[in-house]
Amino acid sequence: AAGVIQSPRHLIKEKRETATLKCYPIPRHDTVYWYQQGPGQDPQFLISFYEKMQSDKGSIPDRFSAQQFSDYHSELNMSSLELGDSALYFCASSLPLVAGGLYNEQFFGPGTRLTVL
Amino acid sequence: SQQGEEDPQALSIQEGENATMNCSYKTSINNLQWYRQNSGRGLVHLILIRSNEREKHSGRLRVTLDTSKKSSSLLITASRAADTASYFCATDGETSGSRLTFGEGTQLTVNP
Repeated sequence: AAGVIQSPRHLIKEKRETATLKCYPIPRHDTVYWYQQGPGQDPQFLISFYEKMQSDKGSIPDRFSAQQFSDYHSELNMSSLELGDSALYFCASSLPLVAGGLYNEQFFGPGTRLTVL
Repeated sequence: SQQGEEDPQALSIQEGENATMNCSYKTSINNLQWYRQNSGRGLVHLILIRSNEREKHSGRLRVTLDTSKKSSSLLITASRAADTASYFCATDGETSGSRLTFGEGTQLTVNP
């Protein structure tokens, strides 16, 4: 079965640089979520999109922005990177209830490991 | 985590034994999901239990939910070395919408 695709899988950046992370949801899934997992921590919600509109916003720094495109893929743009941004960034997707989705069952991609030097 | 805690934080057992992990949460929920994460890798969805359900099974997994105690347990029966991973519970709630709030995770080690 198709899964959530994230690219790149690994990314190394210098402080103050920018980074763009991409997420391709499972086909027919129109809701995308972004989570950040720091070393030894649990994942924290950043932002989500439903039908190309931002649907919820969590603890996402102002330096970060995201959007969902017409083909439902999403990109997380990160600017002025800081050492503390080093983390695993996960994208998850879900199928809405009206399309047979099961109660907000979210499926995660393999993550992008961002290292800021 | 702002939502809850997992207990124990680490668990080490022998292959063939059962493993039980617990998760507590603080606010009213709609659903609770369990995920597995191998070291530094992706989160694999294991099972979802709705707030009006009390128990659910999937293969060697058994999940219970006690909304009066705001807690859930994940039981893995007849464990295998391949079950070694971190296990997280995640909730979504009436006030938080569809975003998931994760517990702190239990590191399970199954020794061959």
